[in-house]
Amino acid sequence: SQQGEEDPQALSIQEGENATMNCSYKTSINNLQWYRQNSGRGLVHLILIRSNEREKHSGRLRVTLDTSKKSSSLLITASRAADTASYFCATDQAGTALIFGKGTTLSVSS
Amino acid sequence: SAVISQKPSRDICQRGTSLTIQCQVDSQVTMMFWYRQQPGQSLTLIATANQGSEATYESGFVIDKFPISRPNLTFSTLTVSNMSPEDSSIYLCSGAPSTDTQYFGPGTRLTVL
Repeated sequence: SQQGEEDPQALSIQEGENATMNCSYKTSINNLQWYRQNSGRGLVHLILIRSNEREKHSGRLRVTLDTSKKSSSLLITASRAADTASYFCATDQAGTALIFGKGTTLSVSS
Repeated sequence: SAVISQKPSRDICQRGTSLTIQCQVDSQVTMMFWYRQQPGQSLTLIATANQGSEATYESGFVIDKFPISRPNLTFSTLTVSNMSPEDSSIYLCSGAPSTDTQYFGPGTRLTVL
C-alpha cells in the first residue's frame, strides 16, 4: 500500500526555474529517500534524509523533512531538460522495505 | 553503494507461461526486495527475499505465483508463474547494504500477450 501522497502529481516548468515536490506519509519513519525514474526505467537514488535530520543538500537538490507534519519536500534548483522524469519519495522503518508515494511527474521544457 | 543488474531487461511472453528474472548485486547486501510497478503506477512491494529461507510476501502476493529464491547475499530470482496480461509490469529488485540506502536494478519490463 502507498505510504502517502506526492504533490503535485504533475509539474511543468521552463528550464532554469526551480521545481518543488512535496511528499506526505502516514507512519513514523527511520529514513525518507527520494528517487528519480526516467521513462519507466530503474530508479536512481537521489538523497536519503534520516528522521533526526531536517535538511540535506546534494548539488542542485535540497530536501527538507518535517516529522511533526509527516512531510518532506524536494527542491530542484535551476532545472534542466534532463531533469524531466518521475520523482518518488519512499520511507522505511529501520531495515524494512520501502513504501513509495505515488510520484510526481516533472516536465522541464527548453 | 551497490550496483544491481537484472536479466532480462525486457520480455514478451505468452499467457500461461512463466518467466524467471535474475537480480545480481556487485557486493553483499543485507536485504533484498522485489517490487512491481504496474503501468502508470508507483512501486508496490512483492516480497522480501531472505537468504537461505523462504521469502516473506506482502498481502496480495503468494509464493505459488511469485516464487523467489535467494541462495546467497548477492543473488536472487523472481519467477512470475502462469502469466496473464494483468502481470504486465516492470519488476524491480533492490538491495540494501545496511539499513539505509536501497539501490535498485534497472528493472525488467514484462509484457504478457
